[in-house]
Amino acid sequence: SQTIHQWPATLVQPVGSPLSLECTVEGTSNPNLYWYRQAAGRGLQLLFYSVGIGQISSEVPQNLSASRPQDRQFILSSKKLLLSDSGFYLCAWSVQAGTYEQYFGPGTRLTVT
Amino acid sequence: QKEVEQDPGPLSVPEGAIVSLNCTYSNSAFQYFMWYRQYSRKGPELLMYTYSSGNKEDGRFTAQVDKSSKYISLFIRDSQPSDSATYLCAMSRFRSSGAGSYQLTFGKGTKLSVIP
Repeated sequence: SQTIHQWPATLVQPVGSPLSLECTVEGTSNPNLYWYRQAAGRGLQLLFYSVGIGQISSEVPQNLSASRPQDRQFILSSKKLLLSDSGFYLCAWSVQAGTYEQYFGPGTRLTVT
Repeated sequence: QKEVEQDPGPLSVPEGAIVSLNCTYSNSAFQYFMWYRQYSRKGPELLMYTYSSGNKEDGRFTAQVDKSSKYISLFIRDSQPSDSATYLCAMSRFRSSGAGSYQLTFGKGTKLSVIP
């Protein structure tokens, strides 16, 4: 069965510090991968998605970036965090074709102080 | 007009009640519909999905889609305290840009509390 991991689970970072969140998927090959942010009262916002190694699409302009160095690894980064980057970050995966469901990881709660 | 509208609640019901959760959408291109359950401080968990109009049943849960009215529902029978969570609807259309890339549009979620 497929499993998706995210770490760290919780992170408190000062404004202006860098960020690196990691997501890995087990039990599937060549998945689509997604990064979402969930802020209170604002729902799930798609930040990035990837259909393959090195292929990243950005949905929202911001100071965040994403990379996919391996087939089942997805990384969310920032060089300098803003207060507005606080939120619950979720990684998700889906199969490449045929179905539309996405499966979410446990999430990382980021607080920028 | 937002693409997906979902009443945020909160919705509070007694244990054993039938719960009805709903979403409306404006874009007729949406063809694929999902419901997620999210417990506090956890990631969303896929509960049900359906690709056609009509009803789909899974245990105590029934998903209903009415494409003509652009309206989807999730019914929970014999609700339990463990059903207390936020329920998110999600829907998708195929986007030709990006092979194999299927985007989901989410409602903001309805917070449900089932009182023992």
